[in-house]
Amino acid sequence: QSALTQPRSVSGSPGQSVTISCTGTSSDVGGYNYVSWYQQHPGKAPKLMIYDVSKRPSGVPDRFSGSKSGNTASLTISGLQAEDEADYYCCSYAGSSGVFGTGTKVTVL
Amino acid sequence: EVQLVESGGGLVQPGRSLRLSCAASGFTFDDYAMHWVRQAPGKGLEWVSGISWNSGSIGYADSVKGRFTISRDNAKNSLYLQMNSLRAEDTALYYCAKDMEPYDSSGYTFDYWGQGTLVTVSS
Repeated sequence: QSALTQPRSVSGSPGQSVTISCTGTSSDVGGYNYVSWYQQHPGKAPKLMIYDVSKRPSGVPDRFSGSKSGNTASLTISGLQAEDEADYYCCSYAGSSGVFGTGTKVTVL
Repeated sequence: EVQLVESGGGLVQPGRSLRLSCAASGFTFDDYAMHWVRQAPGKGLEWVSGISWNSGSIGYADSVKGRFTISRDNAKNSLYLQMNSLRAEDTALYYCAKDMEPYDSSGYTFDYWGQGTLVTVSS
């Protein structure tokens, strides 16, 4: 149950796109299509942004998209906005357990 | 409206026990798996434990296995976490989270979260 690996931080200017990677193993990310992504603003509970690798819950802007290749999943934020500045965590099913990523701070320049 | 309200946190000495509760409302509680996720101060999220809709399937993170016990009371729409032999590294904000899929379809996706209850383990 080792944490999935994410970059510590990414940044971009308003309107740009940023991509966050989430690297695991064949026992978690690579083995199942159950990767989800969460946004967390300071002092707030996490919010589900993407589930089942690439699906968006109702109410999440289509600027947020997800994908997966092998053992690495990715979250892309297109048309970056000031309110997107937050911490982002990936999470994967790992066979009767869940495992989160290390977290990535997104900064809007 | 889905609501998850955690309680039971506080300051506890190392080696002692604490029981967390999560009161759920706004959805059919006994249709869904439920989970505990924690976040140490200034750190990332860590899945702690999960329980299926009928308590037939239970899982724990290696870091708490043998010390923590998850349970639920569907008649009371409540989730619990019994934490024994607490350590300093268990200090965290503990979130109750609802699984997105009903019954046995859990993909460990959490669509609703409570606001958390803070557990501090210190002498």
